[in-house]
Order: sequence, then structure tokens, then C-alpha cells
Amino acid sequence: DGGITQSPKYLFRKEGQNVTLSCEQNLNHDAMYWYRQDPGQGLRLIYYSQIVNDFQKGDIAEGYSVSREKKESFPLTVTSAQKNPTAFYLCASSRIQGTEAFFGQGTRLTVV
Amino acid sequence: AQSVTQLGSHVSVSEGALVLLRCNYSSSVPPYLFWYVQYPNQGLQLLLKYTTGATLVKGINGFEAEFKKSETSFHLTKPSAHRSDAAEYFCAVSEMSGNTPLVFGKGTRLSVIA
Repeated sequence: DGGITQSPKYLFRKEGQNVTLSCEQNLNHDAMYWYRQDPGQGLRLIYYSQIVNDFQKGDIAEGYSVSREKKESFPLTVTSAQKNPTAFYLCASSRIQGTEAFFGQGTRLTVV
Repeated sequence: AQSVTQLGSHVSVSEGALVLLRCNYSSSVPPYLFWYVQYPNQGLQLLLKYTTGATLVKGINGFEAEFKKSETSFHLTKPSAHRSDAAEYFCAVSEMSGNTPLVFGKGTRLSVIA
């Protein structure tokens, strides 16, 4: 089945550690996105990428980094510079930017 | 810049009653509009979308939405609520030109009372 796979589903890290969230898609989509979800705040865009080896900052990029070395993969690193990293992270992809996005099942990150 | 406003962070309806979730958008160019549903601890699933053409759009699970350009609205409706409709619903907008990612509203949590 085609889709988007995020792993792991739950992730626990100690404060001050970097952590990388995985996102893989087999839909042959060009565009990929990372959103952060907090209660009552909806989805906020962290980073997005329209093509391989290119990505842009979203609204809340500080403390995060990404790479897009392969079309199907768009990993997100939450660095120690992110002041409040505990959240639900959603990866999505679309055929081209602005068209309907397909979402993964999310990764819930808890930093203690 | 585009934006989405969803009126009411929480809506409660009785089973069998009409569901109406409100969405207003702001966009300086013709928009694409979307409604997504999210169940607890899961990703978002597309309910329906408006791109071009007919302004009344039908989606999955009996939901529909009408694009009203004059009111900059894209409200989501369902004639008769079912318990399984209890979830969080997100409205989203993007530019028809494809230059921007989807921008989401803050969501509306729908409760269905038996």
C-alpha cells in the first residue's frame, strides 16, 4: 500500500539531546512537509521541501533541522536549541506543493 | 498571506442532529480549500476538497462543504451526526498557484452526544 510512514510512534528523550524523527513516503510525491501540533494551536509548519536537496523554513523552524537527500525521505531533527520540543509531530506529502496533503500517523515526542 | 479561522474550538451535537463546522479563509489569490479529520493520536485524513468547478463539494462519510467566495467561507456540514463522527476537524487553504504549503486552522473538536 502507498502511504507515509513515520517512526517511531512514541519517542522519549532527555532534555539537551538531539533527536531525529523519520518520515518516508512511497507515493512518488515531490513535496514533503513537517508540522507540529499542540493542543488548541492546530498545525504549525516547521519545514517544507518541494524537491530533493532543497527545503524552506516554515513558521516555527527555530530549533529544528531537516534534510532531503532522497525524494522519499524527509527526516526532522529536533535539536537541543528547541525550547519546548514536547509535541505531536506530523509529516505529510503532496504531489506538488499546495495540492492535497497525505499525512503519516505522527510521532509523539516527550522530552523529560 | 493566507489564513484560516475556524469558529468554535469545540462543537457538541446530539446523535442524528445537523453538524455545522465553520471555516473562513483569507487569501489574496484563488484558493484551494480542504477539510481534514483527525482521530486521537492519529494523522489527518482528507474529508473533501475544493479546487475548481462546482462549489458544493461532497466528501467521505456523508460530509459536504460549500465554497462561498463572497463570504470567504467553506463550512462543513453533515445532515445527521453519528457517534463515529466525534473527532477533531481541520480546515486548510492553499494558493491555486501552488506556491505555498497548506495553512491550517486551529481545529474544531466535535462531540456527539447519544
